[in-house]
Amino acid sequence: KAGVTQTPRYLIKTRGQQVTLSCSPISGHRSVSWYQQTPGQGLQFLFEYFSETQRNKGNFPGRFSGRQFSNSRSEMNVSTLELGDSALYLCASSLSGRNTEAFFGQGTRLTVV
Amino acid sequence: GESVGLHLPTLSVQEGDNSIINCAYSNSASDYFIWYKQESGKGPQFIIDIRSNMDKRQGQRVTVLLNKTVKHLSLQIAATQPGDSAVYFCAERPGGYNKLIFGAGTRLAVHP
Repeated sequence: KAGVTQTPRYLIKTRGQQVTLSCSPISGHRSVSWYQQTPGQGLQFLFEYFSETQRNKGNFPGRFSGRQFSNSRSEMNVSTLELGDSALYLCASSLSGRNTEAFFGQGTRLTVV
Repeated sequence: GESVGLHLPTLSVQEGDNSIINCAYSNSASDYFIWYKQESGKGPQFIIDIRSNMDKRQGQRVTVLLNKTVKHLSLQIAATQPGDSAVYFCAERPGGYNKLIFGAGTRLAVHP
């Protein structure tokens, strides 16, 4: 069974640009969550999608958005990039509902210059 | 590989010893807890989970203990091996479906 796949693995963008990251969950998993990981702030929850609906949202500005497609694949978008957006962006997939294991992908390393 | 955290607390152990990694969680409403292992350049890897109606759960070479009274979680690794060297995170789920709140992490360094 394939794991969580995130693309691209590495990305370099310029301040002010926008970026779209992609996540394909484990087959059969309907919940996709996104996290930002930085050395200073650690792992922070961005948002969660389930059946194409955002179910939870963390404390990030509106520049961070996401969506989920009918096949459960998810994308997150960051507009008007800032230097502080440089981070490892991780996607996690779960079957559904509460108290189910969340499996992470390898992440996308975003560098904003 | 990429640095997960620059100033994480580090636990250094000898190969073959038992390791205990501690974590204080923040939300009394959390009812599900997970330990993750993260190696350099990789995403967090699920190790073991525990629900709040349990005090202890055992896996292969790992045991998680939960003390809800003091909001404390620990991960015990038996016969620690060099391959166990990584950063370990505890995570709590405060009732909001699949939203996880992560601890700061502990770096485990295993010496031969």
